[in-house]
Amino acid sequence: GEDVEQSLFLSVREGDSSVINCTYTDSSSTYLYWYKQEPGAGLQLLTYIFSNMDMKQDQRLTVLLNKKDKHLSLRIADTQTGDSAIYFCAERGGGFKTIFGAGTRLFVKA
Amino acid sequence: KAGVTQTPRYLIKTRGQQVTLSCSPISGHRSVSWYQQTPGQGLQFLFEYFSETQRNKGNFPGRFSGRQFSNSRSEMNVSTLELGDSALYLCASSPRSSPADEQFFGPGTRLTVL
Repeated sequence: GEDVEQSLFLSVREGDSSVINCTYTDSSSTYLYWYKQEPGAGLQLLTYIFSNMDMKQDQRLTVLLNKKDKHLSLRIADTQTGDSAIYFCAERGGGFKTIFGAGTRLFVKA
Repeated sequence: KAGVTQTPRYLIKTRGQQVTLSCSPISGHRSVSWYQQTPGQGLQFLFEYFSETQRNKGNFPGRFSGRQFSNSRSEMNVSTLELGDSALYLCASSPRSSPADEQFFGPGTRLTVL
C-alpha cells in the first residue's frame, strides 16, 4: 500500500541550511507536497512538485525529487528560529486521498 | 476571504457516545477532506467529499462517517466513541478534487474521549 516515511527530528543552528528527507512508495504519485505545522495551528502548504519535475525552488525553499528512488527532500536555506515547526511530506496519486508522512520536527537553535 | 472553519474547536466526550464535527470550507471550494491526527499515527486520511459525493475513504471503521451538503459544508460523525478516537480532526478544502489544487486546512477540532 501507499506509505510515506520521514525522519522524526532534525536540529540545526540558526543561519545553517536544513534538509528534510522523505521517501514514498506509491509509484503512481503525481504530486508531492511539503506542509508546515506550527504549534496549535493547522497545516500550511509550503510547496509542491509535480512528479515530472526534478527540482523546484521558491525563495529559501528548494525541493528535490528523485523519482527513481522515490525520494523527496526539502532544503531550507538560512534557517531561522521562526522555521521551527513540524514539516510533513505528502503524496497524492491516482486516487483522491493524500498520504502524509509522520512529520519531521525541526528545532532551530539560536 | 474567510478561511476554513471548524466547529467546535474542542470537545470532550465519554466512551460509547457519538460526536458530530463540522467543517465550513472556503467560499467557492467544493472539495472537503477530513484527516485524523494523533501523536502515534500521524495524519491519516479519513475521506474526501466533492459535490456531495464521497470520492475516497481511508482505512477507518464504519463508526466514522461523513456527509457534504449542497453548500459544500461537511460534517463527520463518529459513533460509539473509543479512547483511541482522541485526536485532532482536521478538515481541508480545495476548489476541485484535483491534486494540483492546494488544500487549505482548518485549525482542527480536538476531541478527547474519556
